[in-house]
Amino acid sequence: EPEVTQTPSHQVTQMGQEVILRCVPISNHLYFYWYRQILGQKVEFLVSFYNNEISEKSEIFDDQFSVERPDGSNFTLKIRSTKLEDSAMYFCASSEALRSGELFFGEGSRLTVL
Amino acid sequence: SQQGEEDPQALSIQEGENATMNCSYKTSINNLQWYRQNSGRGLVHLILIRSNEREKHSGRLRVTLDTSKKSSSLLITASRAADTASYFCATVDRGSTLGRLYFGRGTQLTVWP
Repeated sequence: EPEVTQTPSHQVTQMGQEVILRCVPISNHLYFYWYRQILGQKVEFLVSFYNNEISEKSEIFDDQFSVERPDGSNFTLKIRSTKLEDSAMYFCASSEALRSGELFFGEGSRLTVL
Repeated sequence: SQQGEEDPQALSIQEGENATMNCSYKTSINNLQWYRQNSGRGLVHLILIRSNEREKHSGRLRVTLDTSKKSSSLLITASRAADTASYFCATVDRGSTLGRLYFGRGTQLTVWP
């Protein structure tokens, strides 16, 4: 069964360092998302991406964050200068069409900022 | 807060029993979805119910939606130990991007063998 894959599964970084989290969405999906879950808190929407551009972003997604689809398969989330409060599980998701409503999530990348 | 809120926060039952989880929300929605998350794993979509639907079934899952009360319930019948997980409701606001989900805090379900 097709699945969304994410790498790395866990990354530890120092505050101020740049981090890139990678995702391979399901191949025929057109819509891509990043969500995050801080330990013990709700899953929060970060950004949605369609047709090679951001379609919506939340207040969390500030200038320190960026997304890119560098080729036909990968979808990346970059955090330019990490802060302690960026420590969270980051989930990539994709969907075939907006109409279906169903999102397919990856297993997540746990980011720990020291 | 726009997000759904699940109730109870934790539920512990024996195998074979039914598990009912509730979700309340505050906005006008396009649809409401339920997801499952095993500890430390990703979110798995279970079922979606649209705002013009009142009840939906999928296997051992039954979801109801009452838009007048802004609430939904997820019923898992004949539960199994493998159903142990966190269950989240997520809403999509009317007029919003359909992929933007607002999640609740979840219900931690433990099913004892």
